[in-house]
Amino acid sequence: GDSVTQMEGPVTLSEEAFLTINCTYTATGYPSLFWYVQYPGEGLQLLLKATKADDKGSNKGFEATYRKETTSFHLEKGSVQVSDSAVYFCALRYSSASKIIFGSGTRLSIRP
Amino acid sequence: EAQVTQNPRYLITVTGKKLTVTCSQNMNHEYMSWYRQDPGLGLRQIYYSMNVEVTDKGDVPEGYKVSRKEKRNFPLILESPSPNQTSLYFCASAERQNNEQFFGPGTRLTVL
Repeated sequence: GDSVTQMEGPVTLSEEAFLTINCTYTATGYPSLFWYVQYPGEGLQLLLKATKADDKGSNKGFEATYRKETTSFHLEKGSVQVSDSAVYFCALRYSSASKIIFGSGTRLSIRP
Repeated sequence: EAQVTQNPRYLITVTGKKLTVTCSQNMNHEYMSWYRQDPGLGLRQIYYSMNVEVTDKGDVPEGYKVSRKEKRNFPLILESPSPNQTSLYFCASAERQNNEQFFGPGTRLTVL
C-alpha cells in the first residue's frame, strides 16, 4: 500500500543553519505531496504542496521538489530561525480522494 | 475568523466512562474528519464525513463513533474508553473531499 517515510527526529540546528528533512514515499499512482507544520500546542497547517512530478512547492522560505525518479519530497530551508521550531509532517493524497497518508513526523528544534 | 474548534482541549478520564469530543467549523465545509496522533505513527484517520448524514470509517475506527446531524458539527464519541485510546485527537474540515484540510487545535485525551 501507499506510505510515507520521514527521517527520524529530533533534529537540532543552530539559527541560520541549512535544513533538510528527508521524505520518501511509496505510491501505486500519482499522488500530490504535502508538507504540514505543527507548532507547539496547535493543529497542523499546510506548509507547501506539489501536485505532479518536478513541481516545486515553496512557502516561508521552505522548498520541496516532487522527485518521481527517487520517490522523494525533501524539505529544505536555507537559513532556519528559532520560530521554525515545530514538528513537520510529510504526506500524500490522491486528487480524487480525501484520505491523507502522513509520515511519522520530524521534530525540529532551533537553538538561538 | 474561519476556524475549526474542538472541546475540550484536555481531558483525563477513566476506563469505561463515555465521553464526547466536539468539533465545529464555521466555514460551511462539506467534508470533516477525525485523526489521532501517536508518537512514531503520525496521524491516522478514524472517521470522516463527506456531508450531513454521510459518515465512513477511516483506518482506525474501532472503539469510536461519530455523527453528522448538522453541517458544522462532527462529534467524536467514545462509548467505553480504554487506555489504548490515550492520544492526541485532531478534527479537520475541507470545502470538499479533495480540497485543503484545515485542522483544529487538538484534544489531548488520557484514559486511566
